[in-house]
Amino acid sequence: GENVEQHPSTLSVQEGDSAVIKCTYSDSASNYFPWYKQELGKRPQLIIDIRSNVGEKKDQRIAVTLNKTAKHFSLHITETQPEDSAVYFCAASTDSFGNEKLTFGTGTRLTIIP
Amino acid sequence: DTAVSQTPKYLVTQMGNDKSIKCEQNLGHDTMYWYKQDSKKFLKIMFSYNNKELIINETVPNRFSPKSPDKAHLNLHINSLELGDSAVYFCASSQRGTGYTFGSGTRLTVV
Repeated sequence: GENVEQHPSTLSVQEGDSAVIKCTYSDSASNYFPWYKQELGKRPQLIIDIRSNVGEKKDQRIAVTLNKTAKHFSLHITETQPEDSAVYFCAASTDSFGNEKLTFGTGTRLTIIP
Repeated sequence: DTAVSQTPKYLVTQMGNDKSIKCEQNLGHDTMYWYKQDSKKFLKIMFSYNNKELIINETVPNRFSPKSPDKAHLNLHINSLELGDSAVYFCASSQRGTGYTFGSGTRLTVV
């Protein structure tokens, strides 16, 4: 089955600086890669996703890059703000009909230092 | 109007008891899931249903039994609760081509 590794497990960044979280996956058939943000005591929420036919996607201060050859994808947050502090999860799945099983990474606890 | 709702939000119970967690989604999604999040925050899939049909059943003790009366509901019944069952259980739903929408979670504590 799919295995997703995520690094680093914790990350502290000065407010205004950039943060990068990296993930690798094992199943070359995976073609859908979402990122989730989970604030303390809350549910995971989708913040951005990318499919295998795209190399990069941006949404304001957040961007995700995908390298299918290397089976590697990354989350980039620019101009970090205190409200970006949370646990971030990457995930991967094969977007087959009715079986969108997401395998999650182990999470990165991001702390923004004011 | 909550998209994916779970009840109860908190559940404290003694070892050996049987308990249920309910989940409902009003998004019209075809697929629903149960995930377990342990104390280290790791999210692991337990079950997945598509249009009331079980399609994913990970290596979960058979004390856990999901039930989907219709595609908007997926409940989780747990028999003979053990200390190691303590975790946060998340329900989620999706439609092909969309990411998951998670419920707010049920924090289960077995004492």
